[in-house]
Amino acid sequence: SQKIEQNSEALNIQEGKTATLTCNYTNYSPAYLQWYRQDPGRGPVFLLLIRENEKEKRKERLKVTFDTTLKQSLFHITASQPADSATYLCALEGRRALTFGSGTRLQVQP
Amino acid sequence: NAGVMQNPRHLVRRRGQEARLRCSPMKGHSHVYWYRQLPEEGLKFMVYLQKENIIDESGMPKERFSAEFPKEGPSILRIQQVVRGDSAAYFCASSPRDEPYEQYFGPGTRLTVT
Repeated sequence: SQKIEQNSEALNIQEGKTATLTCNYTNYSPAYLQWYRQDPGRGPVFLLLIRENEKEKRKERLKVTFDTTLKQSLFHITASQPADSATYLCALEGRRALTFGSGTRLQVQP
Repeated sequence: NAGVMQNPRHLVRRRGQEARLRCSPMKGHSHVYWYRQLPEEGLKFMVYLQKENIIDESGMPKERFSAEFPKEGPSILRIQQVVRGDSAAYFCASSPRDEPYEQYFGPGTRLTVT
């Protein structure tokens, strides 16, 4: 069955550094992949979508890569700020809706 | 342009009661998705609806749960005879197209069953 894995351990980094989060998937060949941000007590917020024929996508300080051979996406936040602290969710397109990973919590220390 | 609205934000029900969760999609969006999130777990798809149609309910338990999206008014997720295991955050999302492109989520309804 389809499986999406994100590092369940929180990622702690210093302000100004680059945060890199990983999303791995198996038994799956998605046409695109998405990243969302979720703050405690709130709904997820869409960040980026990358298609299978795109290797890399950027938006301001965010960068996403999509390697369909490795079945992996990397999500980077450069020049991280304490306001970037949140849980980041990877989502793959499924039959009719999105299938989400369990998320990785990022904590940026000032 | 108002975002996705959900109400109530918090709902407390005793075991055996009914819970009704409402979702108004973003203006212009005719596709609605319901997800459930248990503590420390990811979002799990429940049901996908368009106006007056259930497109995919493969993620919804077959008993006690139902959903609708009438021609007029909000989408409703209904849970009958709630049990403690139904306690979770229920999120609604909407999109303007019939593929799961980026989805816009509401703030969620936190259901607590006592």
